[in-house]
Amino acid sequence: EDQVTQSPEALRLQEGESSSLNCSYTVSGLRGLFWYRQDPGKGPEFLFTLYSAGEEKEKERLKATLTKKESFLHITAPKPEDSATYLCAVQARTGNQFYFGTGTSLTVIP
Amino acid sequence: GAVVSQHPSWVICKSGTSVKIECRSLDFQATTMFWYRQFPKQSLMLMATSNEGSKATYEQGVEKDKFLINHASLTLSTLTVTSAHPEDSSFYICSARDGTGLLNTIYFGEGSWLTVV
Repeated sequence: EDQVTQSPEALRLQEGESSSLNCSYTVSGLRGLFWYRQDPGKGPEFLFTLYSAGEEKEKERLKATLTKKESFLHITAPKPEDSATYLCAVQARTGNQFYFGTGTSLTVIP
Repeated sequence: GAVVSQHPSWVICKSGTSVKIECRSLDFQATTMFWYRQFPKQSLMLMATSNEGSKATYEQGVEKDKFLINHASLTLSTLTVTSAHPEDSSFYICSARDGTGLLNTIYFGEGSWLTVV
């Protein structure tokens, strides 16, 4: 069964304290893994797409990496404005379905 | 980047009435659109998947006669909540799949807050 698990559920960091969010997945053939950021009361905002193990993408303080079983979203020297819920989703090679994790709620304290 | 527009952003309606929410892909053709419901501090719950020109596929437990989905064009899908009740109050989000290129990424609308009084 295709499945996506994100951890931790919630993470509190001091400003400048780097950390990583995890997205573990099981899917019958990965077509793509997606990271989104969601602020309260808003729709998710697209961050990255990763397609194959070993691939990395960067955007400002965020860096996403991918292995055959999981993806990490590394946050370097976070700022309070990075506080949000980060969602991970995977798409299998067959079908249109996207499977979402339950998200990691990140709070960065000044 | 790709933009998906959702309208209205928020709506208040009386119990028993129907309300329509629109989802438009502004700069790409979306052969597939998805509708989600989200309760406070919870993850997205997929309600249905709609493909342009065909009937929507509803997830288990979602009443298709209550949540009418129409995807009449490559840039527009609508969700109509029929005979709304207070328990239908929620945050509804649409997403659209840009499958025209290699990216095959889905982009989300800003969401619509529905309050049924």
